[in-house]
Amino acid sequence: GESVGLHLPTLSVQEGDNSIINCAYSNSASDYFIWYKQESGKGPQFIIDIRSNMDKRQGQRVTVLLNKTVKHLSLQIAATQPGDSAVYFCAEKKRAGSYQLTFGKGTKLSVIP
Amino acid sequence: NAGVTQTPKFRVLKTGQSMTLLCAQDMNHEYMYWYRQDPGMGLRLIHYSVGEGTTAKGEVPDGYNVSRLKKQNFLLGLESAAPSQTSVYFCASSYGASNTGELFFGEGSRLTVL
Repeated sequence: GESVGLHLPTLSVQEGDNSIINCAYSNSASDYFIWYKQESGKGPQFIIDIRSNMDKRQGQRVTVLLNKTVKHLSLQIAATQPGDSAVYFCAEKKRAGSYQLTFGKGTKLSVIP
Repeated sequence: NAGVTQTPKFRVLKTGQSMTLLCAQDMNHEYMYWYRQDPGMGLRLIHYSVGEGTTAKGEVPDGYNVSRLKKQNFLLGLESAAPSQTSVYFCASSYGASNTGELFFGEGSRLTVL
């Protein structure tokens, strides 16, 4: 089975609220994690990444948190906007030097105006 | 820059027919990848290439072949299409020397096998 998964397949949030999308991974050797956003009919787009030697990384309106103790990754989106509606995927790189990413199944985020 | 371009965007095949999906990137990336995306399955790696003239198997390579004759192009072939290959196919590319894993994706090619 897949080592990268998601706690919730769908998430609905009110516009302006914060969103939290979760991801669990099982490979403790994974050293790099990425979040992608996929809008309907388009290819995935890079949002933010984090290395295993970090706990937190912030971007514009987005924050990724990594908890290696429980093998959990989360993406926080501040002040969610209608344009944030999409499917969000986490992906992991399972070993150093590898360029292969393993993707989770995705969480669909719907923003209610 | 166009980024990653896939052709065709849509195709319908009959079982047993063959076809080739073309991926072109203009970012001078060393690494290129073919993924398939099925409902509820996320993206699964079919084949990838770490440079011109090289190819390697990914997670689900059976029924597909690839070629990387030129650095900017990565072709995905189906020799004898099966209904199980109905999917959306995504090509991606990345910097080879970088230690990040950011992939740049194309818009996808939707294939239906009847």
